[in-house]
Amino acid sequence: EAGVAQSPRYKIIEKRQSVAFWCNPISGHATLYWYQQILGQGPKLLIQFQNNGVVDDSQLPKDRFSAERLKGVDSTLKIQPAKLEDSAVYLCASSLETQVPWTGYGYTFGSGTRLTVV
Amino acid sequence: AQKVTQAQTEISVVEKEDVTLDCVYETRDTTYYLFWYKQPPSGELVFLIRRNSFDEQNEISGRYSWNFQKSTSSFNFTITASQVVDSAVYFCALSEGGGTSYGKLTFGQGTILTVHP
Repeated sequence: EAGVAQSPRYKIIEKRQSVAFWCNPISGHATLYWYQQILGQGPKLLIQFQNNGVVDDSQLPKDRFSAERLKGVDSTLKIQPAKLEDSAVYLCASSLETQVPWTGYGYTFGSGTRLTVV
Repeated sequence: AQKVTQAQTEISVVEKEDVTLDCVYETRDTTYYLFWYKQPPSGELVFLIRRNSFDEQNEISGRYSWNFQKSTSSFNFTITASQVVDSAVYFCALSEGGGTSYGKLTFGQGTILTVHP
């Protein structure tokens, strides 16, 4: 079974530029998550989709971050304009489950995109 | 709100030593799930174990073992006879099983484990 695919693997941009990350979840996984992992910290959830709808975006800085999951499959996370503090690894994860009780079975992370803002 | 605390920021051991990584969690839910992940220098999160709140049995997988104690809200991870390849950052994570928080993993700060030859 193919895993969660993310691209690009690395990205370096200047502050105030825009950047986009792409995620392709495991086939059939209805729920998709974007996490931000700042160096030296654990990942933090930014946004959760179920199919093409947003379940939780309470931690997403909406003044500069946006995300979409058209057709309930691939997802794109965008930052515009980027700030120095956005330097982090952006992890995408997907899960088969769509409702409670949730068991966490098959929750899978991609390899991440490492963003450096200079 | 859920919270995970990994008090050990860094641990350094010599190969073949046993090492225990501590994890303490907070949640108001009675149904929740606990995870351990390994993050090697390459950056991907490698799943190690998932344990639900109703299963307090300890688990052993090769050199790895986990001790889950609800009474102290702890889910500790022990590596027996550590090897250099165990060097990585280890994360403990928690997810509540109900409500709108399903699937949201709350991670600890991570413990950097270095195993010296």
